[in-house]
Amino acid sequence: DSGVTQTPKHLITATGQRVTLRCSPRSGDLSVYWYQQSLDQGLQFLIQYYNGEERAKGNILERFSAQQFPDLHSELNLSSLELGDSALYFCASSAGGSFNEKLFFGSGTQLSVL
Amino acid sequence: EDQVTQSPEALRLQEGESSSLNCSYTVSGLRGLFWYRQDPGKGPEFLFTLYSAGEEKEKERLKATLTKKESFLHITAPKPEDSATYLCAVGDSNYQLIWGAGTKLIIKP
Repeated sequence: DSGVTQTPKHLITATGQRVTLRCSPRSGDLSVYWYQQSLDQGLQFLIQYYNGEERAKGNILERFSAQQFPDLHSELNLSSLELGDSALYFCASSAGGSFNEKLFFGSGTQLSVL
Repeated sequence: EDQVTQSPEALRLQEGESSSLNCSYTVSGLRGLFWYRQDPGKGPEFLFTLYSAGEEKEKERLKATLTKKESFLHITAPKPEDSATYLCAVGDSNYQLIWGAGTKLIIKP
């Protein structure tokens, strides 16, 4: 068990809808990262938050947004969903703000857009 | 463009049959090379970090090595429980991790 909790585990929705994925980092970790993993593209970095502030941005679409709350949990909001957004979404956490630290991953949220 | 390539895509071995997985990279200004293990339905699990050419790290049956252009993950006398997808990631000069597509390792008893 990595100590990172993601909910829900599975999410099935329709095109055009909006969903929210939630992540609780390991106790004491200040950074939260969001990743998308699909069969054809591998693991893609979306965004990093450190202690409530955006630290780094990767290949995140404008339809996607994230935030980290004062209690350090994070939410990833996906809107105007398209079929191609179907993927496994992972949250990871690390102790500090450096991008090249050891990451602890949650078990992911499997998103299916029908 | 920064790139990470892992080979082979899949590898089937008999229990006890040693082999190596490759991770080759082209990045400007390497800021660490990372190996993770991913089991089906789970998130990646950290294995090693290497920072400079010549560096080696070991953990049980796994040994990771690094040169200026590639890294190898050597698996000695593997067991079925070593079956997983092994992911390589490289830290680049833009302060981001670039991930490879992974090598799916299957160890048959």
